[in-house]
Amino acid sequence: GQQLNQSPQSMFIQEGEDVSMNCTSSSIFNTWLWYKQDPGEGPVLLIALYKAGELTSNGRLTAQFGITRKDSFLNISASIPSDVGIYFCAGPPFNSGGSNYKLTFGKGTLLTVNP
Amino acid sequence: NAGVTQTPKFQVLKTGQSMTLQCAQDMNHNSMYWYRQDPGMGLRLIYYSASEGTTDKGEVPNGYNVSRLNKREFSLRLESAAPSQTSVYFCASSDLPGQGTHEQFFGPGTRLTVL
Repeated sequence: GQQLNQSPQSMFIQEGEDVSMNCTSSSIFNTWLWYKQDPGEGPVLLIALYKAGELTSNGRLTAQFGITRKDSFLNISASIPSDVGIYFCAGPPFNSGGSNYKLTFGKGTLLTVNP
Repeated sequence: NAGVTQTPKFQVLKTGQSMTLQCAQDMNHNSMYWYRQDPGMGLRLIYYSASEGTTDKGEVPNGYNVSRLNKREFSLRLESAAPSQTSVYFCASSDLPGQGTHEQFFGPGTRLTVL
């Protein structure tokens, strides 16, 4: 099946630092979704991207849909302690046809912010 | 709006016992999903229901059954629980992908332990 590779797997940063993480695939994706999961909670949608090259912001978060449609990037500026959690990328593969209800998820980037 | 709700939040079962996980959404979404989340494995799709009256297998359906009770509710049943089914279970919902988005919205999860 389709796979999404997220990197890095984990990050330890100081409060106030900027963060960058990415998600890559060997296949083309129609859509890129970025979720955050707080400890003990369900994933929450942060940003949705629908067009190659699209750059979208949500507060201190900025995400980009790669030009090749095989990657996406999430940046967090001026990190704060509540940014701690797992960040997932997800999307429906381009060739999923009738199964385009299904999302493929990356395994996540675990972010720890030291105050 | 409560979004996606799940019951129970926690459950401990003995091997061979059965139980049903309940999920409801109040966003008038057509599609609903059940995932399991295990350390290092990310989110894996168990079953989904593209619309009321339909259900389909996902990536890891063995040992589970589902019922789409109505547009709002989608339940997951474990007929004979096994220790390998110890996991965190998430329900999600979305509009039909053909209506423009693939965004899925998640519930808070059910933490299941099978002894």
